[in-house]
Amino acid sequence: EVQLLASGGGLVQPGGSLRLSCAASGFTFGNYAMSWVRQAPGKGLEWVSTIVGSGGSTYYADSVKGRFTISRDNSKNTLHLEMHSLTAADTALYFCAKDLTIAAAPISDWGQGMLVTVSS
Amino acid sequence: ETMMTQSPATLSVSPGERVTLSCRASQSVSINLAWYQQKPGQVPRLLIYGASTRATGIPARFSGSGSGTDFTLTISSLQSEDFAVYYCQQYNNWPRGFTFGPGTKVDIK
Repeated sequence: EVQLLASGGGLVQPGGSLRLSCAASGFTFGNYAMSWVRQAPGKGLEWVSTIVGSGGSTYYADSVKGRFTISRDNSKNTLHLEMHSLTAADTALYFCAKDLTIAAAPISDWGQGMLVTVSS
Repeated sequence: ETMMTQSPATLSVSPGERVTLSCRASQSVSINLAWYQQKPGQVPRLLIYGASTRATGIPARFSGSGSGTDFTLTISSLQSEDFAVYYCQQYNNWPRGFTFGPGTKVDIK
């Protein structure tokens, strides 16, 4: 069974930084692309970033490009999202997600989500 | 960036009815289009990928069609557990992005 357990969320001040992590289990981690998707309270889904299985290619939404960095450690089955220069617009539930294939693809499995609140 | 639109925003339906949801891309995404279902308080679930391929475990009453810019999700006979928000997502426009549509809420009439 695929399990995706996110950690690292919480309250941060505007302009601050936060690092989300996601511990994956139940599948061969390096064989799948991984993504972060967020959902602001009461709003729709917003794709944030994707990293292919090897870690060699990364993709970002325009709204986070230059501020967020996705990375993975295939030896530890862990996905990360470094977030900097946070604003209120970044307040959301952040989902760690497993893609359907090794390359960027639709999302087949979702973690429970980690709340990030940007507020003074 | 490829923009995705969905219509209608909300659909009120009775159980047993046939439901058709639309998704449109601002430029061609070929068949690189997925549909997800999200119920309140739950994570999304992949229903359809490749525009028409059902994901593992998805009932046959869900079907997808379309290519290029216009796509449809059809639920042949709506069940009580199908009341939810449905999102489409394109995954053709990389490295620029894999944008979601705004969603269609299917609620009880």
